[in-house]
Amino acid sequence: NAGVTQTPKFQVLKTGQSMTLQCAQDMNHEYMSWYRQDPGMGLRLIHYSVGAGITDQGEVPNGYNVSRSTTEDFPLRLLSAAPSQTSVYFCASSYSGSTEAFFGQGTRLTVV
Amino acid sequence: AQSVTQPDIHITVSEGASLELRCNYSYGATPYLFWYVQSPGQGLQLLLKYFSGDTLVQGIKGFEAEFKRSQSSFNLRKPSVHWSDAAEYFCAVYNDYKLSFGAGTTVTVRA
Repeated sequence: NAGVTQTPKFQVLKTGQSMTLQCAQDMNHEYMSWYRQDPGMGLRLIHYSVGAGITDQGEVPNGYNVSRSTTEDFPLRLLSAAPSQTSVYFCASSYSGSTEAFFGQGTRLTVV
Repeated sequence: AQSVTQPDIHITVSEGASLELRCNYSYGATPYLFWYVQSPGQGLQLLLKYFSGDTLVQGIKGFEAEFKRSQSSFNLRKPSVHWSDAAEYFCAVYNDYKLSFGAGTTVTVRA
């Protein structure tokens, strides 16, 4: 039981490049979400999903896309990276009806 | 919309001393409240949570928190800190499948 797995752990991108941050969970959780963490701002919700095929925007969705084709995976796509997207990204999952979220170890992204 | 405020950005405490981290929330209904801890380079670990009932909640690692509705607060406490408690602490409120986090408080422990 690996929990929530994020890959890669570190990434450097050039402005304008695209990439996908991967998130997988093996706990059969219905809910999955992506947060970004910036100094002095805590964690802010980017996108979330309440089940396969269902996604919705969070607090800071601009510049990011998500999809949820399976229960296990919830990738986050940056279509055209910008320096403002330099951050640490966390994926989280939880059971439907449960408020306890399990977090991945994070992906540290730098856009130059 | 709900919000969470952690008034203290950084706290330094001596090993063995007590620790209290403040958290204030703004929320219309009875909130679901959480405290998470993040050690350097790590993800978030749940320390404790409050849903209802007893307003003094016990968590892991010797932490406790007290919910005070009249003050809209959910402060975290530990009677005697250890060097391993040096970390960043986040208060959060849950609503509609989503967690809203405070900005965090960084705790430094000095020998």
